[in-house]
Amino acid sequence: DAKTTQPPSMDCAEGRAANLPCNHSTISGNEYVYWYRQIHSQGPQYIIHGLKNNETNEMASLIITEDRKSSTLILPHATLRDTAVYYCIVMASGGSNYKLTFGKGTLLTVNP
Amino acid sequence: KAGVTQTPRYLIKTRGQQVTLSCSPISGHRSVSWYQQTPGQGLQFLFEYFSETQRNKGNFPGRFSGRQFSNSRSEMNVSTLELGDSALYLCASRLAGPGYEQYFGPGTRLTVT
Repeated sequence: DAKTTQPPSMDCAEGRAANLPCNHSTISGNEYVYWYRQIHSQGPQYIIHGLKNNETNEMASLIITEDRKSSTLILPHATLRDTAVYYCIVMASGGSNYKLTFGKGTLLTVNP
Repeated sequence: KAGVTQTPRYLIKTRGQQVTLSCSPISGHRSVSWYQQTPGQGLQFLFEYFSETQRNKGNFPGRFSGRQFSNSRSEMNVSTLELGDSALYLCASRLAGPGYEQYFGPGTRLTVT
């Protein structure tokens, strides 16, 4: 069963903010929301993760709703190099089991 | 700090042969995981090593094996290659303990003919 739902594709103009949504209505209390991206034929790249508070790093911001059933990844100033498939994942952060499972993700295309 | 490195980057093998792929994790990372990625199946977890011990294993046949050395470098071996083993093999490393993100290498593109 898919734990997350993402739109299959989105477009964004270069220089504008890209807002990528993710629904995770069955998230458990101990599960974090992780975002990774994969540029074509490269290894996936970790972006950000969070539990319930909004998070920001040098790459992006993560906004998690108060009920934790959905989140939004924000790339504040998208560039052409941000064109990639973005994966939203929920997983418990603890213990020895740490395998990643990617769904279909969202193909973000940044247009000039 | 150098990222995760994988060698070789590209490999072409024939059915029935075996192959060994290598992964050097980020310095200080003690956990190394291996994944297989194909267009049809997506990203699939193979196994995870920590301190030279296999800690988790995915649902792959015994032809897929791995090991980790005392310096945390890891190798993955596939014996008796099949056409369906053609894939991008990814290695990811992370710090030990909960709450740490995984850092992926560029992958090894294996083609079995």
